[in-house]
Amino acid sequence: AAGVIQSPRHLIKEKRETATLKCYPIPRHDTVYWYQQGPGQDPQFLISFYEKMQSDKGSIPDRFSAQQFSDYHSELNMSSLELGDSALYFCASSWLTNEQFFGPGTRLTVL
Amino acid sequence: DAKTTQPTSMDCAEGRAANLPCNHSTISGNEYVYWYRQIHSQGPQYIIHGLKNNETNEMASLIITEDRKSSTLILPHATLRDTAVYYCIVRVPSGGYNKLIFGAGTRLAVHP
Repeated sequence: AAGVIQSPRHLIKEKRETATLKCYPIPRHDTVYWYQQGPGQDPQFLISFYEKMQSDKGSIPDRFSAQQFSDYHSELNMSSLELGDSALYFCASSWLTNEQFFGPGTRLTVL
Repeated sequence: DAKTTQPTSMDCAEGRAANLPCNHSTISGNEYVYWYRQIHSQGPQYIIHGLKNNETNEMASLIITEDRKSSTLILPHATLRDTAVYYCIVRVPSGGYNKLIFGAGTRLAVHP
C-alpha cells in the first residue's frame, strides 16, 4: 500500500539559510499535518491543512510557512534557520477523522 | 483535549503480553482514546483507538474501564520489534482539526 512520502530524507543547512520540505500524502487523503521532533523530545504539532486550506496551527514559528497544493502535496518552508531548528520533521496524512499515517521524516541539521 | 498520564518506562519479556496503562481521568464524553507508537526515529505509527467498548485489531487490544478514566493497551505476544515509545492520546476526532498532542509516553523495552 502507498505510504506518505517525504523528501528529502536528510538535509543539512547553514544558519540563516532557507529550507523546503516536501510531503506527498497517501492518495485520497484530505488532511496533511506537520510535526517537529527535537532531539530527545516528543513530536510537536506545527500546522495542518484540510482540503488545501490551513485548518489548524500549533507552535509554528513565524519564520516557517506551509501550504498544500492542488495535487494535495504539501511543502514546509523554513527561513532564517537557527541551530534550534535541527530536528526530525514528520508529515502525516489522514482521511476525514480517521487515523493519521506518518511519513519517514526529514532530518534537518542546521550548522 | 484531556491530559493523559503514562508510566515512563516498562519492560517485557519476548513472547509475553505487554500491558501498557494510561490514566485519563478528565476525559470528556466525546473524546476517544488513541494509541500510537514510535520506534526509534521512525514516524509514529497508529495502533488502535476506542470510545467506550474494548477494541481489538491485528496489532493490539484496547481495554477501556467502564468510567473511561483509564485504559490499557495490550500487546498479546510482544516481540523485540515492539520496543518503542507508546503514546496514549485523548481527543475528539474533528475533520481538519485532528492534530495529535504527544505527551510523555511509555518507553517499552522488550527483552529476549
